[in-house]
Amino acid sequence: GENVEQHPSTLSVQEGDSAVIKCTYSDSASNYFPWYKQELGKGPQLIIDIRSNVGEKKDQRIAVTLNKTAKHFSLHITETQPEDSAVYFCAASSEGNTPLVFGKGTRLSVIA
Amino acid sequence: GAGVSQSPSNKVTEKGKDVELRCDPISGHTALYWYRQSLGQGLEFLIYFQGNSAPDKSGLPSDRFSAERTGGSVSTLTIQRTQQEDSAVYLCASSSGVGELFFGEGSRLTVL
Repeated sequence: GENVEQHPSTLSVQEGDSAVIKCTYSDSASNYFPWYKQELGKGPQLIIDIRSNVGEKKDQRIAVTLNKTAKHFSLHITETQPEDSAVYFCAASSEGNTPLVFGKGTRLSVIA
Repeated sequence: GAGVSQSPSNKVTEKGKDVELRCDPISGHTALYWYRQSLGQGLEFLIYFQGNSAPDKSGLPSDRFSAERTGGSVSTLTIQRTQQEDSAVYLCASSSGVGELFFGEGSRLTVL
């Protein structure tokens, strides 16, 4: 089955700096790679996703890159703000066929 | 309501008792998932329902865990003879079958 590794487990950045979180996956059949943000006491919420037919996707301050050959994908947050502080999870699946397998999460702290 | 609803939000039980956790998915969503989140850990897949297909139970950690989805809507996760290691937040999510998972806020289970 799929295995998703995520690092770092914790990340502290100064407000305005960039943050990068990296994930690797094991199953070459996986074709869907979402990122979720979880705030304290809440369920995770989707912030951006990418499918295997593209290599990069951007949405304002957030971007995701995918390298299918190396089986890794990354989340980039630019101009970080205190409200970006949360736990971020990457995930992978064969969309519509298998359930999402999540990484162990990265706790991001943005210091004002 | 508009989102995924879970109950109870908190449950404290004694070791050896049975517990039931309930999930009301978003109306019309055909897929329903249960995940477990232990303290500081990632999201561990438990079970996945998709339409009328047989559920994917591959993530259930033992035969003390079971889940049903009645009428293609509400789901109940049952844990029999609870153990202390079952203490965690149990998260339910629903989706249209592809794309975004919408999570509830979870049921926090504490086994004394």
